[in-house]
Amino acid sequence: DIQMTQSPSSLSASVGDRVTITCRASQSISSYLNWYQQKPGKAPKLLIYAASSLQSGVPSRFSGSGSGTDFTLTISSLQPEDFATYYCQQSYTGFAFGPGTKVDIK
Amino acid sequence: EVQLVQSGAEVKKPGESLKISCKGSGYSFTSYWIGWVRQMPGKGLEWMGIIYPGDSDTRYSPSFQGQVTISADKSISTAYLQWSSLKASDTAMYYCARWTSLSYEFDPWGQGTLVTVSS
Repeated sequence: DIQMTQSPSSLSASVGDRVTITCRASQSISSYLNWYQQKPGKAPKLLIYAASSLQSGVPSRFSGSGSGTDFTLTISSLQPEDFATYYCQQSYTGFAFGPGTKVDIK
Repeated sequence: EVQLVQSGAEVKKPGESLKISCKGSGYSFTSYWIGWVRQMPGKGLEWMGIIYPGDSDTRYSPSFQGQVTISADKSISTAYLQWSSLKASDTAMYYCARWTSLSYEFDPWGQGTLVTVSS
């Protein structure tokens, strides 16, 4: 089974900060990597698919990069509505999710 | 608008059976896979399984194989997740989501169904 890890598990940041979250797969998954945002009490929402493609309607401050085993989600200027938990997910074999990264207010 | 609407919250006792549903609308239900995802209280997302309503082809995560049954009724555009004998450890929020085989992502997601199992 492919295992997904994320770092950090949590971070504190201020509005306007640049935030970077890393996701690593236990084996190469090409670009079959998605990023989701989940706010408390809400369903997850797709942000980035195929490692770097921005889902329609998602603000351009979100971006994704990487291929193979190492991936990054970047928020260029953190906004108040971005405080949430972020999950990566691979679709290369099965659909394993990473453990999540909680972004809260500093 | 593509939408998945899930059935309401359930409170059950250990040993009881349960079937929750996920109704799709706004798209061709038989042309996209539907996946189920578990989120235990305060925890992360776990993929459980996926079904193609067009022919009922179903795949399970090894962690959930034999623990749950996924099915679909394409005549009413509805997918199901069922348990034959619930345990307290099945207490969780369950989400359905459409999987797009063109770009390999889950989108959109249902609103979630909270299942509470308690004696």
